[in-house]
Amino acid sequence: GEDVEQSLFLSVREGDSSVINCTYTDSSSTYLYWYKQEPGAGLQLLTYIFSNMDMKQDQRLTVLLNKKDKHLSLRIADTQTGDSAIYFCAEIPYGGYQKVTFGIGTKLQVIP
Amino acid sequence: EAGVTQSPTHLIKTRGQQATLRCSPISGHTSVYWYQQALGLGLQFLLWYDEGEERNRGNFPPRFSGRQFPNYSSELNVNALELEDSALYLCASSPRELRLGYEQYFGPGTRLTVT
Repeated sequence: GEDVEQSLFLSVREGDSSVINCTYTDSSSTYLYWYKQEPGAGLQLLTYIFSNMDMKQDQRLTVLLNKKDKHLSLRIADTQTGDSAIYFCAEIPYGGYQKVTFGIGTKLQVIP
Repeated sequence: EAGVTQSPTHLIKTRGQQATLRCSPISGHTSVYWYQQALGLGLQFLLWYDEGEERNRGNFPPRFSGRQFPNYSSELNVNALELEDSALYLCASSPRELRLGYEQYFGPGTRLTVT
């Protein structure tokens, strides 16, 4: 079946850039998403990228997609303490919009 | 606009009991999804309801069931609770006819603890 992998933990200093990585196995993925989960809150959609794109930028967020290696990354510029959260990568297979597969989540710790 | 709401926030049950979790979708959304977020396992897709019917389910035993009401709110029932059912259960909703992408709006979750 489909699989999405992420590293569990990332620690950065405030003001630095954070890069959270994700790999997926389904070559028919249509959309790839990044969600943010703050303590006690549900998942918040941060951004998404279509599988026919290589890059998407949205303010401080940059998503890079390497389709050959099935590698997705989320770069957060000028990381702030409010960015501390768990970040989930998720992928939708073609034709399977209702079967989104999530990664285990990467906990980002921002050190003041 | 109110977001997805879930109740209760926390639920403590003993092994063998039944748990009922509730979810109210965003107004206008007809699809409701349930996910289990167990420690160390990430999010696992449980169930999808739309227009009152179960449309799809993940790889979970039949003791995980639910329903969707005419107002599109939903219940998740877990029978014969086991210790490993302890998890955060997240509900999400989306418009049925979303075409250009796929966006779910998540609730804050219900933390189920089985002792």
